Amino acid sequence: GAVVSQHPSWVICKSGTSVKIECRSLDFQATTMFWYRQFPKQSLMLMATSNEGSKATYEQGVEKDKFLINHASLTLSTLTVTSAHPEDSSFYICSASGQGAQYFGPGTRLTVL
Amino acid sequence: KQEVTQIPAALSVPEGENLVLNCSFTDSAIYNLQWFRQDPGKGLTSLLLIQSSQREQTSGRLNASLDKSSGRSTLYIAASQPGDSATYLCAVRPNGSARQLTFGSGTQLTVLP
Repeated sequence: GAVVSQHPSWVICKSGTSVKIECRSLDFQATTMFWYRQFPKQSLMLMATSNEGSKATYEQGVEKDKFLINHASLTLSTLTVTSAHPEDSSFYICSASGQGAQYFGPGTRLTVL
Repeated sequence: KQEVTQIPAALSVPEGENLVLNCSFTDSAIYNLQWFRQDPGKGLTSLLLIQSSQREQTSGRLNASLDKSSGRSTLYIAASQPGDSATYLCAVRPNGSARQLTFGSGTQLTVLP
């Protein structure tokens, strides 16, 4: 089946720094990628939808200047958390749409100290 | 706005029991419904996908049903095993061009040996 990878799987950073998370579709082309955030004991909340070569569409309440999304190719999307703060600590999961289905990455655990 | 609810939030059963997880959604105009499994600190594994025209799908010991008109789906797990312990999420995809999944908050299942 289709595989979506994320890198890194976990990251710890100091408050105020920026963190980049990569999401790759390994064996298919993904015209659309989604970024979700999941807090402990809660479900996945969609942050933004990105289409290759165009600007991402952010969900209400998600700061586009804080969560920068770049979908430069059909197999790669990146999420950059700028000036991260402890409240940004969460589990970030990407998903890629392709082959008529949606596939999820393994997630990235971000801890901001 | 679509809302997805899962009941119960947590469930603990002895090994070997059959069990049912429930999912309800407020807007019946869905394209499909999907059940996922999430292990602690991990991404999502797709279990079953039911198209809106289908009534049920089966995979091994898992059976998912869909009653679109009443906005309900169930996931039946037969002969549960400790390895089934995980959080189970249901998600619906709306009709139309939008592809975003709306997730329920999940049911945390513990199967006791």
